[in-house]
Amino acid sequence: NAGVTQTPKFRVLKTGQSMTLLCAQDMNHEYMYWYRQDPGMGLRLIHYSVGEGTTAKGEVPDGYNVSRLKKQNFLLGLESAAPSQTSVYFCASNGGGSAGEQYFGPGTRLTVT
Amino acid sequence: GQQVMQIPQYQHVQEGEDFTTYCNSSTTLSNIQWYKQRPGGHPVFLIQLVKSGEVKKQKRLTFQFGEAKKNSSLHITATQTTDVGTYFCAGPRGGGSNYKLTFGKGTLLTVNP
Repeated sequence: NAGVTQTPKFRVLKTGQSMTLLCAQDMNHEYMYWYRQDPGMGLRLIHYSVGEGTTAKGEVPDGYNVSRLKKQNFLLGLESAAPSQTSVYFCASNGGGSAGEQYFGPGTRLTVT
Repeated sequence: GQQVMQIPQYQHVQEGEDFTTYCNSSTTLSNIQWYKQRPGGHPVFLIQLVKSGEVKKQKRLTFQFGEAKKNSSLHITATQTTDVGTYFCAGPRGGGSNYKLTFGKGTLLTVNP
């Protein structure tokens, strides 16, 4: 099992450009999440999904969109990148139930100039 | 909204010294999770505590959940260089359900060999 994978690992964008980050999990998990991590800010939830075809806003959703067309994939889109979106983005998944632990992908380091 | 606070933000120790990080929630938690993130890596689940006053050990790591279920601690005995990283606590966001977590900002532990 690969667990949670993310592509790309690194990306540099110019202000106003768009891009999509892809997250894939092979654990048949229902729940998936996108976080951003900035120095001194911990992990902040951007959007999440509780199942195929569903999405919901997290703590910091502005400037991002997501889609969950297939259970194993969760896409994060930036329509018009801004320097404030420079961050490390982590995807995570959770199988649900009482266990509750989240499995994180390796992260995508995004720089917007 | 719910807040999860961790102290200290940074801790530098000599190898062999003990280390403790504390987590405090503004609301009562149904459970609390701990994660470790190595430098340049992604968060990895360590443990979940559920019961009031619960204490769990993993080798040199001791985790406690407070009697009021609003605070928790992680204690490492005789630190090693392999303990370097950021330790995060996380609690269910907005109630008992585990599928959304609020993360503390983490404690960065560095160990001088």
